[in-house]
Amino acid sequence: QQQVKQSPQSLIVQKGGISIINCAYENTAFDYFPWYQQFPGKGPALLIAIRPDVSEKKEGRFTISFNKSAKQFSLHIMDSQPGDSATYFCAASRGDYKLSFGAGTTVTVRA
Amino acid sequence: GAVVSQHPSRVICKSGTSVKIECRSLDFQATTMFWYRQFPKKSLMLMATSNEGSKATYEQGVEKDKFLINHASLTLSTLTVTSAHPEDSSFYICSARDSGQAGNTIYFGEGSWLTVV
Repeated sequence: QQQVKQSPQSLIVQKGGISIINCAYENTAFDYFPWYQQFPGKGPALLIAIRPDVSEKKEGRFTISFNKSAKQFSLHIMDSQPGDSATYFCAASRGDYKLSFGAGTTVTVRA
Repeated sequence: GAVVSQHPSRVICKSGTSVKIECRSLDFQATTMFWYRQFPKKSLMLMATSNEGSKATYEQGVEKDKFLINHASLTLSTLTVTSAHPEDSSFYICSARDSGQAGNTIYFGEGSWLTVV
């Protein structure tokens, strides 16, 4: 039973474009929503995270939008670069910090 | 930023033997660490929660006698795959909670590739 649903499975974007990845959750007890970037053969690296008391958080070219009532959150990658080509995972956890991961989105940025 | 180190990054072992993977938090103390397993092109699956000074808690379906976890200090957790078989071949990743950071940030190690032959 996947607690966090992520879409799309993959996307292709042109250099300079915007990549958008969406996630939805059911468990209203979740209170921590991080996004991770993973390159092949490497561990996930924390990109950005948000808590439910904030509707948007921006760090550089990465922005999380959070809609508590809809139980959805999304990652926007602005001005996408070839180096952004990777797999992105959304996740969620409660106070126990056990992360439930989405299925992942493979992003390919074409030069 | 915070760093979590895993060792070894790659290991090959013979079927029936045991292999130990270490997870260290390098610049913060971690009372809680987590062990995940990831198959190729798949998401991460939580195996167990490692608690410093107490027994690990395992997720449903994970054999605790096969995947032994020890969290002997605030900076080190180990995962031992006992009597390994080819089906145990996978990418094992640990994470650690930095409770000193605002918001209890969770950082991941670089992962360890286990191949059982």
